[in-house]
Amino acid sequence: DGGITQSPKYLFRKEGQNVTLSCEQNLNHDAMYWYRQDPGQGLRLIYYSQIVNDFQKGDIAEGYSVSREKKESFPLTVTSAQKNPTAFYLCASSVDSDNSPLHFGNGTRLTVT
Amino acid sequence: AQSVTQLDSQVPVFEEAPVELRCNYSSSVSVYLFWYVQYPNQGLQLLLKYLSGSTLVKGINGFEAEFNKSQTSFHLRKPSVHISDTAEYFCAVSGVTSYDKVIFGPGTSLSVIP
Repeated sequence: DGGITQSPKYLFRKEGQNVTLSCEQNLNHDAMYWYRQDPGQGLRLIYYSQIVNDFQKGDIAEGYSVSREKKESFPLTVTSAQKNPTAFYLCASSVDSDNSPLHFGNGTRLTVT
Repeated sequence: AQSVTQLDSQVPVFEEAPVELRCNYSSSVSVYLFWYVQYPNQGLQLLLKYLSGSTLVKGINGFEAEFNKSQTSFHLRKPSVHISDTAEYFCAVSGVTSYDKVIFGPGTSLSVIP
C-alpha cells in the first residue's frame, strides 16, 4: 500500500543537539510538507516543497531546516536554534501544490530535555 | 489571508446521538474547504472536501458538511455517532491558487460517551 512513513515514532534528545526526522512517501506525490502540532493550536506549517531540489519556508521555519534531494524523501532537521522543539511533527504530501488533499504520516513525537 | 475558527474545543456526545462540529472561516477570495480527522497518536486523514459545485458534501464514515458562503461556515455533521468516532477533528481552508497554503483550525475534540 502506498503511504507516508515517518520515523522514528518517538524521539528524545538533549537540549543543544540537532536532530533529523525522517519522512518517506511512495505515493509519487510532487509536494511535501512539514507541520508542527501543539495542543490547542492546530497545525502550523514549517516548510514545504513543491518539487525536487526546491523548498520554501512556512509560517514557523526559524530553527528548522529541510532538504529535498529525492522526490520520495523530505527530512526535517530541528536545530539547537529552535527555542521550543518539543512537539508532535507531521509530514504530509499531496499530488501537486494546487491544494490537493493532504496525505499525512503518523507523526514523530519529539521530546527535548 | 485566510483564517479558521472552530468555536468548540471539546464536544461530548452520547453514542447514537447526532453531532455538529462548527467551523467558520474568513477569506476575501474563493476558498477550498476540508475536514480532517485525527485519531490518538496518528496523523490526519481526510474526511471530506469542498472544491466547487454542490454545497452539501458527503464524506467517509457517514459524515457530511455544508458550505454556506453567506455565513462563511462549513459545519460538519453526523446523524448518529459511534464510539469509534472519538477523535480530534480539524477544519481547514485554502485559497484556490497554487500559492495559497492550507490553514488549519485549532481542532475540536469529539468524545462519544457510551
